[in-house]
Formats: sequence, C-alpha cells, structure tokens
Amino acid sequence: GESVGLHLPTLSVQEGDNSIINCAYSNSASDYFIWYKQESGKGPQFIIDIRSNMDKRQGQRVTVLLNKTVKHLSLQIAATQPGDSAVYFCAETTSNSGYSTLTFGKGTMLLVSP
Amino acid sequence: DTEVTQTPKHLVMGMTNKKSLKCEQHMGHRAMYWYKQKAKKPPELMFVYSYEKLSINESVPSRFSPECPNSSLLNLHLHALQPEDSALYLCASSQKYGGETQYFGPGTRLLVL
Repeated sequence: GESVGLHLPTLSVQEGDNSIINCAYSNSASDYFIWYKQESGKGPQFIIDIRSNMDKRQGQRVTVLLNKTVKHLSLQIAATQPGDSAVYFCAETTSNSGYSTLTFGKGTMLLVSP
Repeated sequence: DTEVTQTPKHLVMGMTNKKSLKCEQHMGHRAMYWYKQKAKKPPELMFVYSYEKLSINESVPSRFSPECPNSSLLNLHLHALQPEDSALYLCASSQKYGGETQYFGPGTRLLVL
C-alpha cells in the first residue's frame, strides 16, 4: 500500500506487481518532464521523459502519463522487481539560454518485496 | 554514453580544512551544475555554468566556490564549512540544444566534523 511519512511518501509492492508513482507539478507553462530513479548512495538516474504535447510515452517496462488539465504526472512500472527499489523523483524543466532548470517533486520511495 | 564522474566518492573534513570536489563529463555538454542533497530530500540547485561562465548562483554561501576550468570539468572548492553542510553533492550536465535533460554523477558524500 501507499503511505505518506513525515518526509517521503512510500509505496510498498510485491515483486511482479505493477507500480504507479504519482506526481503533481506546479507550473502550467512547463513543457518537458523527467522521471529520475535514485538508489541509495547514488546519483539520480534518468528513466524516461515526456513533452507537454504528449500524454503518454512508453519505455522498457515503464510508462509515463501526463495530464496537463490537472497538472499530474505518473510513472507506471510493469512487473516490478526488487532492483526497482529506490526513490523516484519527477522533475519539470524550463529551458533557458544554454542551460535548463529542474524543479523536483518531493520524491516517492518504492519498496519491492520478493 | 551519458556518464558524469565525480571524485572523491566520500570526503570527511574539519571546519578549518580546504578541499575540492571534482566533476568531469566527456559528452560535449556545455552546461554543468552543482546540487546539494540532504537525506530524503530532492536535490537543491547551487550553481549553473553555461559555456564555462557562471549563469546561476542560488545565493550559496561564499564558503562554497565553484570553478569551471574547461567545458569538461567542474570543481567545487570548499573552505571553512559547517557541520550542516554535510550532504551528498551532485554534479550534472546537459546539452545546449534540446538540453533539458540533466545527467547526474554519482555524487560525493561529504561529512563536516
């Protein structure tokens, strides 16, 4: 099940289940969104991205859905594995001249039990 | 190849020490970033370099001093840090064109005693 702790929401699933991680973003003008996976002691790792002119994008075992009407982003992981256990951050991005700025969500910890 | 490397992996320093963190990428990216991350929190932006020029300083205390010697390297010089500066320091890079995606390094875990 899903619980909201003091600092980091946690989603606990069984191996083989499908997982859905949700994210609300704030800037209706954001036109590009990224999901990152961060394992303990490591840096954030790019998983998948989506532009605002799309509402769905699929990768290997992952799907990102974008609902611009309610400013909501979700990451679906199919057949979740123990190696998927990590903290997942969504990020909305803004492009500037020569660089980008990321606004991260609070993050969700995914715990996968064998 | 989307690799950003950082050294050292771990660093312990006293409040009077001077140390440096290093970051390197060979993807031809022209924007490089320093972030600070506390436990169970998202990364917080500190500095942005674009074409080796400082573009953003997010009101970071002067005890943190960034340097971009060339387009592949980014340093963060540390001096007279405080215990509350203990954190994971992350470097990232991105392309200029279509460069919204930032690729992160593994980070340096810093402990200030």
